[in-house]
Amino acid sequence: SAVISQKPSRDICQRGTSLTIQCQVDSQVTMMFWYRQQPGQSLTLIATANQGSEATYESGFVIDKFPISRPNLTFSTLTVSNMSPEDSSIYLCSVVAVNTGELFFGEGSRLTVL
Amino acid sequence: AQSVAQPEDQVNVAEGNPLTVKCTYSVSGNPYLFWYVQYPNRGLQFLLKYITGDNLVKGSYGFEAEFNKSQTSFHLKKPSALVSDSALYFCAVRLGGYQKVTFGTGTKLQVIP
Repeated sequence: SAVISQKPSRDICQRGTSLTIQCQVDSQVTMMFWYRQQPGQSLTLIATANQGSEATYESGFVIDKFPISRPNLTFSTLTVSNMSPEDSSIYLCSVVAVNTGELFFGEGSRLTVL
Repeated sequence: AQSVAQPEDQVNVAEGNPLTVKCTYSVSGNPYLFWYVQYPNRGLQFLLKYITGDNLVKGSYGFEAEFNKSQTSFHLKKPSALVSDSALYFCAVRLGGYQKVTFGTGTKLQVIP
């Protein structure tokens, strides 16, 4: 199993500002995933973060809005840029156990944009 | 493309009764199937998975799920519901060997004392 720590756990932000979410894993992993869970909705994959290369974004998500860093095999950041109230969501970091295929999640970062 | 459907937004069950949360999937190939639970203000916790082998999979907290290939279903079950089982349940599918996981829309389980 993997233990994933996310910071901040929650924040209240002003419209037009940016916030960076950190994700730390207790073991080295090749891929890290960032998901968004809007209020009352399911999880949507934002992007896959690979160490040493640019993140791969899903349809509807762009690097200018959600820049991602992946400086090493245990850490990643997701920035939510120029926030609007529509960005109010829970943002979740996850990793996959390659041999079993199961996803491990952090506790999530709950963002409220005013 | 892969997809998951959870036809029920909410399931209500009396404590002590058996519960079923439904899930059907669509994927071209052999699926990896998962159930996750989300308690209020928490991240997702893994419950169980099906990759290969026995169609009946047992997981955490007394939950089990049955893989039915002909019906493309993976329903979550528990013989006797507890009030503490009240939470949001997500079914998910992954095409073996490909990393992207697709989640269903979630089913809120309410266990009534």
